[in-house]
Amino acid sequence: GAVVSQHPSRVICKSGTSVKIECRSLDFQATTMFWYRQFPKQSLMLMATSNEGSKATYEQGVEKDKFLINHASLTLSTLTVTSAHPEDSSFYICRGAPGETGSTEAFFGQGTRLTVV
Amino acid sequence: KQEVTQIPAALSVPEGENLVLNCSFTDSAIYNLQWFRQDPGKGLTSLLLIQSSQREQTSGRLNASLDKSSGRSTLYIAASQPGDSATYLCAAYAGNNRKLIWGLGTSLAVNP
Repeated sequence: GAVVSQHPSRVICKSGTSVKIECRSLDFQATTMFWYRQFPKQSLMLMATSNEGSKATYEQGVEKDKFLINHASLTLSTLTVTSAHPEDSSFYICRGAPGETGSTEAFFGQGTRLTVV
Repeated sequence: KQEVTQIPAALSVPEGENLVLNCSFTDSAIYNLQWFRQDPGKGLTSLLLIQSSQREQTSGRLNASLDKSSGRSTLYIAASQPGDSATYLCAAYAGNNRKLIWGLGTSLAVNP
């Protein structure tokens, strides 16, 4: 099946620094990329949806200036957590979809466990 | 607003048991429903996707059913094995943009 490669799988950073998470679609063109985060004992929550070449659409309550999403190509999308704080510590995961927004054919990355100290 | 609930939150069974995980959703106007498996600290593995026009899907020892009218889906695991231990998530594709709405998951432990 199709693969989305997400890196890094784990990262520990100091408070105030920025962290970049990459998701690459290896054998398909990810027209749409969804970014989720999951806090402990909570469900996955959609943070933003991005279409290649367009600005991302952020969910209510997600700061677009803090969580920068770049989807400049059909095979690469990045999420940068800027000025990270301990409360940003979470599990972040991407989902790439080859079709139009909302396509049910979509593939998940392996996830990134971010710890801000 | 679509909400997805999974019961039970946690389940511990001896190896070999057949078991049922439940997922309910509040808005029957879902597009599709999908079951995933999440291993600790890892990503998601898609198990079964049930299209809105379907009533069930099967893959190996797994069978998932969908009853849109009652707002329910069940995941049946036959002859459970220790390797089945994981968190099982259901997610409904809902709304005009078909966003995924997630349940909190059922944490399954299969004891040898």
